[in-house]
Amino acid sequence: EIVMTQSPATLSVSPGERATLSCRASQSVSSNLAWYQQKPGQAPRLLIYGASTRATGIPARFSGSGSGTEFTLTISSLQSEDFAVYYCQQYNNWPLTFGPGTKVDIK
Amino acid sequence: EVQLVESGGGLVQPGGSLRLSCAASGFTFSSYEMNWVRQAPGKGLEWVSYISSSGSTIYYADSVKGRFTISRDNAKNSLYLQMNSLRAEDTAVYYCARDAVVPAAGFDYWGQGTLVTVSS
Repeated sequence: EIVMTQSPATLSVSPGERATLSCRASQSVSSNLAWYQQKPGQAPRLLIYGASTRATGIPARFSGSGSGTEFTLTISSLQSEDFAVYYCQQYNNWPLTFGPGTKVDIK
Repeated sequence: EVQLVESGGGLVQPGGSLRLSCAASGFTFSSYEMNWVRQAPGKGLEWVSYISSSGSTIYYADSVKGRFTISRDNAKNSLYLQMNSLRAEDTAVYYCARDAVVPAAGFDYWGQGTLVTVSS
């Protein structure tokens, strides 16, 4: 099983600042990585797939990069609606696995 | 509009069974691969099971293999999860999630979830 790790566990950011979230896979997942955003009481929302492609309707302030085992989600200028938990997921190998999440909260 | 609506959750005793359903609308259900993902209270996401569009290919997480069965009825636009021998650690919100139409592109639509509580 591919183990996904995310850092930091919590990221405190002021509105308008840049946030950089990291995700690491225990072995290569190529570019088969997605990022999701989840707000309290809501289902996850797909942000990024293929490591760097924004899903439909996702603002350009969200960007993804990386391949192999190291990935990054960047939110260029945090808006109030961006404070949430972010999960990475690999879909290169079965079983599919998620990272433990990074909570982005208000500084 | 794509909609996924889960139902069937509730309180069940350890060792009991429950069948979850996911009603799909707003898209051609028979063309899409589907998944179940769960989230224990206050915890992260855990993928549970996958089924191909025709139902011919199925995968499970080790944590549920042999106890849970995923199935679908394309004529009824419905996805199911039969859960047997339930344990306390199966307590979670269960989401159905659609594989994106683009191959290898994550889960693009999720239901609102249904809560399963396993407790005596």
